[in-house]
Amino acid sequence: KNEVEQSPQNLTAQEGEFITINCSYSVGISALHWLQQHPGGGIVSLFMLSSGKKKHGRLIATINIQEKHSSLHITASHPRDSAVYICAVQIRSNYQLIWGAGTKLIIKP
Amino acid sequence: DGGITQSPKYLFRKEGQNVTLSCEQNLNHDAMYWYRQDPGQGLRLIYYSQIVNDFQKGDIAEGYSVSREKKESFPLTVTSAQKNPTAFYLCASSTKGQGAAEAFFGQGTRLTVV
Repeated sequence: KNEVEQSPQNLTAQEGEFITINCSYSVGISALHWLQQHPGGGIVSLFMLSSGKKKHGRLIATINIQEKHSSLHITASHPRDSAVYICAVQIRSNYQLIWGAGTKLIIKP
Repeated sequence: DGGITQSPKYLFRKEGQNVTLSCEQNLNHDAMYWYRQDPGQGLRLIYYSQIVNDFQKGDIAEGYSVSREKKESFPLTVTSAQKNPTAFYLCASSTKGQGAAEAFFGQGTRLTVV
């Protein structure tokens, strides 16, 4: 079993839908990161969380430390949100990063 | 503004040539990391360094070399010994020590070997 699990692996939705991507982990962490990668493009950091909830525009990220679970939500989704969304956790003991496999999101117009 | 810079964004090399990818940070972070991503797969750790003049192999270090002569810089050399060098390479840096750590990420370098 991977230490960081993302679900779903692939997600296709219609424009305007509310999107949720989940990340579960099994190690003690100091922080959790959500990143975005467009096809053929680079990686952009969206959020770093150690507790609670953060919001940036239409993106919301939450983390429940007790349950070792984080969610990334996209409200009023748009085709330009189509990308791979990656969850990564920083291990508390040595600050190294463990990466999820990514969720490929396609938003259809 | 503080950040981490990878260059170039796209890189093409002929088979058999060594190539060096640049990673620079001005965040005063102790730790720096290199990851590789293959199409449809997650990122895997190549090398990491937690202090100047010291570095450790990650999960897929074969065919790669690094140096950490300065705190700000952690270049990665893809040698001719790397059998499948075409991939996306990501550099990251993070703080060490007590309290909540933070990590920053480069934009990545997409290397194509022809």
